[in-house]
Amino acid sequence: GAGVSQSPRYKVAKRGQDVALRCDPISGHVSLFWYQQALGQGPEFLTYFQNEAQLDKSGLPSDRFFAERPEGSVSTLKIQRTQQEDSAVYLCASRPTVIQETQYFGPGTRLLVL
Amino acid sequence: AQTVTQSQPEMSVQEAETVTLSCTYDTSESDYYLFWYKQPPSRQMILVIRQEAYKQQNATENRFSVNFQKAAKSFSLKISDSQLGDAAMYFCAPTEQGAQKLVFGQGTRLTINP
Repeated sequence: GAGVSQSPRYKVAKRGQDVALRCDPISGHVSLFWYQQALGQGPEFLTYFQNEAQLDKSGLPSDRFFAERPEGSVSTLKIQRTQQEDSAVYLCASRPTVIQETQYFGPGTRLLVL
Repeated sequence: AQTVTQSQPEMSVQEAETVTLSCTYDTSESDYYLFWYKQPPSRQMILVIRQEAYKQQNATENRFSVNFQKAAKSFSLKISDSQLGDAAMYFCAPTEQGAQKLVFGQGTRLTINP
């Protein structure tokens, strides 16, 4: 079946612009995660959804970052007033249930802020 | 917050040989999962193997196996009969907070020499 998809794959933004990154999880997956991966680093947790409920947003670096999953499927990560330090790969992952199972990752969106 | 240490930034191995990648972590939880993911240049994070902390038996998956030492909080990955397609960044990632997120190490870049 189809895996996790993310769009766009690449995004170039001027500093101060708003961006929206989309994640389409595997159909039927309850849990959805966002991670940020800086160049040469491991991914770092941003936020977690169980269906449409955002249960953990402790990893969001500032109030410029906002995520939503209004219908419990597609999720959007929005970054307002982008800064150069926001440049990174943003990874989305989904998981079938809320119990301790494997997270399946999308290909990521590479964001470059100039 | 948990810290995951992968002490080998880079490793190289001859094709068909065996290589072991190390990982240590410092969770305070008693029940958790551990994962090894590989990330080729395409950036897609791919599951290699997983281990449930409550299981004493080490997980194996074809040419991949782990040496899980719970008391020492060590979780190494052994790759047997290395193949060119194994070349990638490898990340160790235990779960945290009731398995609601993954905590990644810095990664080990594995090169396979033909």
